[in-house]
Amino acid sequence: ETGVTQTPRHLVMGMTNKKSLKCEQHLGHNAMYWYKQSAKKPLELMFVYSLEERVENNSVPSRFSPECPNSSHLFLHLHTLQPEDSALYLCASSQVLRPFNEQFFGPGTRLTVL
Amino acid sequence: SQKIEQNSEALNIQEGKTATLTCNYTNYSPAYLQWYRQDPGRGPVFLLLIRENEKEKRKERLKVTFDTTLKQSLFHITASQPADSATYLCALTNRDDKIIFGKGTRLHILP
Repeated sequence: ETGVTQTPRHLVMGMTNKKSLKCEQHLGHNAMYWYKQSAKKPLELMFVYSLEERVENNSVPSRFSPECPNSSHLFLHLHTLQPEDSALYLCASSQVLRPFNEQFFGPGTRLTVL
Repeated sequence: SQKIEQNSEALNIQEGKTATLTCNYTNYSPAYLQWYRQDPGRGPVFLLLIRENEKEKRKERLKVTFDTTLKQSLFHITASQPADSATYLCALTNRDDKIIFGKGTRLHILP
């Protein structure tokens, strides 16, 4: 195990639902990341947090709302999603944000939007 | 636009042989290049990082080369084993710490 856990592992939701993805890291890291991995597409970085402060938002639609209450926990709140948002959502952490260092990934949440 | 290209087709290699995966990039100035391994239903696992001023890096049976003139990295697994079968992702990070990933190459090591 990488020390990064994600729940739930699988999620099916309708377009009008509101749900949240949770990520927890047990590594004492200061930086956390959300990625989206769609079939046949590269991993896309969505959000970056450093010491609980959002430092990067890569043009992600507002129907995705991240929250980082402390350096060990990261949430991704979902509302009024579209079927094309179905993907594997991966959380990662690293010791610090800069300089670049090894990222540890969680197992991901497989999201299906009906 | 910034782009990373990895072998789109799956790579089949006989057990014991050396597997070589390619990563080419355009319109990007990386400070670092990384290789990750991803198994089905799991998140990527970091394998190796090589800096722009380094030509080669080794770790056990793994070797990475980085040619910034050719804009290419080669990833080698020597004495390959069926357990090495996975998808391998190439990623680039620039001096602003912006990271982009390739789509990955599926590697099958045949017993």
